[in-house]
Amino acid sequence: GESVGLHLPTLSVQEGDNSIINCAYSNSASDYFIWYKQESGKGPQFIIDIRSNMDKRQGQRVTVLLNKTVKHLSLQIAATQPGDSAVYFCAEKGGTSYGKLTFGQGTILTVHP
Amino acid sequence: NAGVMQNPRHLVRRRGQEARLRCSPMKGHSHVYWYRQLPEEGLKFMVYLQKENIIDESGMPKERFSAEFPKEGPSILRIQQVVRGDSAAYFCASPPQGRESTDTQYFGPGTRLTVL
Repeated sequence: GESVGLHLPTLSVQEGDNSIINCAYSNSASDYFIWYKQESGKGPQFIIDIRSNMDKRQGQRVTVLLNKTVKHLSLQIAATQPGDSAVYFCAEKGGTSYGKLTFGQGTILTVHP
Repeated sequence: NAGVMQNPRHLVRRRGQEARLRCSPMKGHSHVYWYRQLPEEGLKFMVYLQKENIIDESGMPKERFSAEFPKEGPSILRIQQVVRGDSAAYFCASPPQGRESTDTQYFGPGTRLTVL
């Protein structure tokens, strides 16, 4: 079946370091991917997205890389700040004409001052 | 999350009672997705609705759960005869304003259901 999983369930970094969160997906028909940030007690917050016809997309302090050959997605956060501490989820849209998303388990990012 | 509204934010029910969760999508949008998040897990798709139509309910449990999105008013996720295993956070999502594509989804703050 379809699945999206994360390699690292937890990641601890020092403030100012760069963070890399990884995600593997199994549905080769997936054509759209989103990274979300979720803080405790809140809903997922959209960070950045990428379509399958791209391999890299940059936002403010964040970059998403897509490697379709090995079905791998990563989120890079530059100059990580304590406010970046949260759970990060990757989500994929696979094979549907509408936005039905499959989520990974999540990675807990902890940023130490 | 701005614009997607959910209420109540917290809901406590006893086993056997009914739970009604409401969601209003981003202004101008008629698409709503419902997801459930169990503790320490990612979100799981439940149902996708457009105004007055259920498009995909493949993630909905076969019994006790239903969803609707009437012509007027919010979308409703209804859980009848709740059991402790229904305790979870329920989120709805809709496309953001200004986007034609319905792929991108912005989430509401969620309703945290606790079944005693």
